[in-house]
Order: sequence, then C-alpha cells, then structure tokens
Amino acid sequence: EPEVTQTPSHQVTQMGQEVILRCVPISNHLYFYWYRQILGQKVEFLVSFYNNEISEKSEIFDDQFSVERPDGSNFTLKIRSTKLEDSAMYFCASKQGKTEAFFGQGTRLTVV
Amino acid sequence: DAKTTQPPSMDCAEGRAANLPCNHSTISGNEYVYWYRQIHSQGPQYIIHGLKNNETNEMASLIITEDRKSSTLILPHATLRDTAVYYCIRLLYNFNKFYFGSGTKLNVKP
Repeated sequence: EPEVTQTPSHQVTQMGQEVILRCVPISNHLYFYWYRQILGQKVEFLVSFYNNEISEKSEIFDDQFSVERPDGSNFTLKIRSTKLEDSAMYFCASKQGKTEAFFGQGTRLTVV
Repeated sequence: DAKTTQPPSMDCAEGRAANLPCNHSTISGNEYVYWYRQIHSQGPQYIIHGLKNNETNEMASLIITEDRKSSTLILPHATLRDTAVYYCIRLLYNFNKFYFGSGTKLNVKP
C-alpha cells in the first residue's frame, strides 16, 4: 500500500541552525501539507502546497519557514534558524484531489 | 478552530463496540465529516468520512444523524491496538487545510 515517507525519523539540531525535513508524498498525489505537534499539544496546520506554490499557511509559518518541491517527488520543509520552541513532531501529508489526506509517520525535531 | 465537540476521553472493553460521538451542530450542507486517529505520537491515520449517508469500511462505521448536527464513529470490535486519540473533523469537499481539535482519547481495556 502506498504511503507517505518522512526522513529522518529524528533530528537533533543546535539552536540557530538550519534544518530541512524531507517527505516523499504518495506518487500520484497533488496536494501536500506540513503539520506539527508540540509534545502533549494538538496537531497544528502549517502550510498547504499545490501546483508548485503555497495555497495556504498558518500564523506559525513565518519567514523562518519555507517549503519546496525540488524534484517532483520530494517535498521539503526548511526552518532557517531553529529556535527551542520549534521542537516538535513534524508531519507531512498528501492527497490526490477531493479525497482523504494520508500522513507520514513524522520527524521528531529536537532543538538544543 | 475545529468547530466540532468531542468528549475528552472514553473507555471501552476489548471486544466490545466503541461508539465515539461528535457534535458538529453548525455544519454546512457541503461539509463532510472526517474521522482520523492518532496512535501514540504516530502520524494521524484516516478512518472514514461521510456527507449525509451512513458509511462503513473495513475499519469502522460512521453514523450521521438526519439533521447532520452530530455523528458517531463505531469500531465494532475494539482491540487494544485501537487505543488512540480520535479526531472528528468537518471539511469542505475541496478542502485545502483541516484543523485537529483535541479529539477523544479512547482507552481500550482488557
């Protein structure tokens, strides 16, 4: 069964460093998402991406964040200068069209 | 804003049916009801969705009231592996983002 794949499963980075989280969506899907979940809190929407551009973004998704689909298969989330409060699970999701979205297993980002 | 109301937690005995309610009294005519679950800290997992009619798949059944103001997710024979947080979400058919509320923590007990 096709699935959304995220790498790495766990990333530790120093405060102020740039980090790139990678996702491989399901191959025929057209819509892509990033969500995050701070430990013990709700799953929060960050950004949606369609047709090579951002469709919507939340207040959390400020200038420190960017997304890219560099090669038609990967979908990345970059955080330019990480802060301690960026520590969270980051989930990528994709959907084909008017269908359900499928989520990856997440990347646990720890900023120290 | 999830705009749905769910009880924070429920218990269910293993092997029995788990009935998880959701209130979405302000739902509009073109909004679907979706259910996801999150087992521990894994990625949310799609369960089922519906618009007006009751739906069933290999995981669960979804019962939507005639006025569409509430729904119930039914896991017919809950197992320990069904212990998770269950989210009821309302979405337009061409949704571009969806919001997770606090969900219902279902504890399946032996």
